[in-house]
Amino acid sequence: KQEVTQIPAALSVPEGENLVLNCSFTDSAIYNLQWFRQDPGKGLTSLLLIQSSQREQTSGRLNASLDKSSGRSTLYIAASQPGDSATYLCAVFNQAGTALIFGKGTTLSVSS
Amino acid sequence: NAGVTQTPKFQVLKTGQSMTLQCAQDMNHEYMSWYRQDPGMGLRLIHYSVGAGITDQGEVPNGYNVSRSTTEDFPLRLLSAAPSQTSVYFCASTLTAGLADPYEQYFGPGTRLTVT
Repeated sequence: KQEVTQIPAALSVPEGENLVLNCSFTDSAIYNLQWFRQDPGKGLTSLLLIQSSQREQTSGRLNASLDKSSGRSTLYIAASQPGDSATYLCAVFNQAGTALIFGKGTTLSVSS
Repeated sequence: NAGVTQTPKFQVLKTGQSMTLQCAQDMNHEYMSWYRQDPGMGLRLIHYSVGAGITDQGEVPNGYNVSRSTTEDFPLRLLSAAPSQTSVYFCASTLTAGLADPYEQYFGPGTRLTVT
């Protein structure tokens, strides 16, 4: 059974720092992976989708990498800002492509 | 496009009551799904649909029913609410399911349900 783990569970950094959020999964035969952001009391906002054939995706200050052999994905946030404070969720698609299997998230706090 | 919309935003039920959580999307997406989010458990799939008239169970389907009569709507029914169903419910949609050409999943704003 695929399991997704995100470490750390919480992270506090000062504004301007570059940071890395980690996601690991137990079944390395994953197909695709998606990173989300969730603000308190809100829904999920898609950040990046990485296909299994890709190594990374970039959007603005965000860069997500995928290493299937080690069962890991990382989300890199450059020059963090207070507005980046949120919970970041990693999810992998199941084998049929019909559902996402989520990690429990990393809650990020960026102080000014 | 309004994207994925959910109603109501908040609901309080008594044990044994029934209700329907509404979900609609205006993006002509084939695939829709329902998740629940609980503290310490993350998001878990309840039911999903790959098109009108086709539904299937996810990881935690007990106590919930779904149907998909149109492409746009995918309601979630609680027939007899229990305190264990207190949660935040999210509806999601994507253009189509499948691994060959994956699409991003889009989520609604959620419904916060409390069962007393």
